[in-house]
Amino acid sequence: EAQVTQNPRYLITVTGKKLTVTCSQNMNHEYMSWYRQDPGLGLRQIYYSMNVEVTDKGDVPEGYKVSRKEKRNFPLILESPSPNQTSLYFCASSSRTGRQYFGPGTRLTVT
Amino acid sequence: GESVGLHLPTLSVQEGDNSIINCAYSNSASDYFIWYKQESGKGPQFIIDIRSNMDKRQGQRVTVLLNKTVKHLSLQIAATQPGDSAVYFCADFYGGATNKLIFGTGTLLAVQP
Repeated sequence: EAQVTQNPRYLITVTGKKLTVTCSQNMNHEYMSWYRQDPGLGLRQIYYSMNVEVTDKGDVPEGYKVSRKEKRNFPLILESPSPNQTSLYFCASSSRTGRQYFGPGTRLTVT
Repeated sequence: GESVGLHLPTLSVQEGDNSIINCAYSNSASDYFIWYKQESGKGPQFIIDIRSNMDKRQGQRVTVLLNKTVKHLSLQIAATQPGDSAVYFCADFYGGATNKLIFGTGTLLAVQP
């Protein structure tokens, strides 16, 4: 089954404790992205990757890092999480056609 | 800057009625639009898309209309069912290097039995 998976689905952590949210897709897509979803603000792109070892900032990259060492994986790293990064995070992948496939989401709470 | 907005944050319809969800966009250069459905606790799911060289596209029970003159698109759902209850987003696709979608804030569709 074609899918995008994310782990963990739920995470509660404290300010400053480094964390990683994993994302994996099995569709051999070149493009992968991370979005955050906040009430009233919709989905905003954090980082994207056009292919292995090629990443760039989206609209709200501050406080986040990503890496793309393999085509299927695109982890999101929060080196020092802060409460304003409490949000619902989605990973997405696509081929060049533009239609993006989304993962199930990771709900992060930073206290 | 560009934006993709929705006219109504909440739409309540009776089961069996038709639903119409509207969306405005600001970038006249946009050439591809996608509608997504997001159910509670899930990620957005693709419903239907349309390119700017089309005015209308139909899927199963769904139709998207695009009016480039007024930069407006709409999603029509025929014979709305309880399973259609969700938040619906229109998204403006920015291709090229970023492959980015610009999402509207969403419309909550509530289907009354």
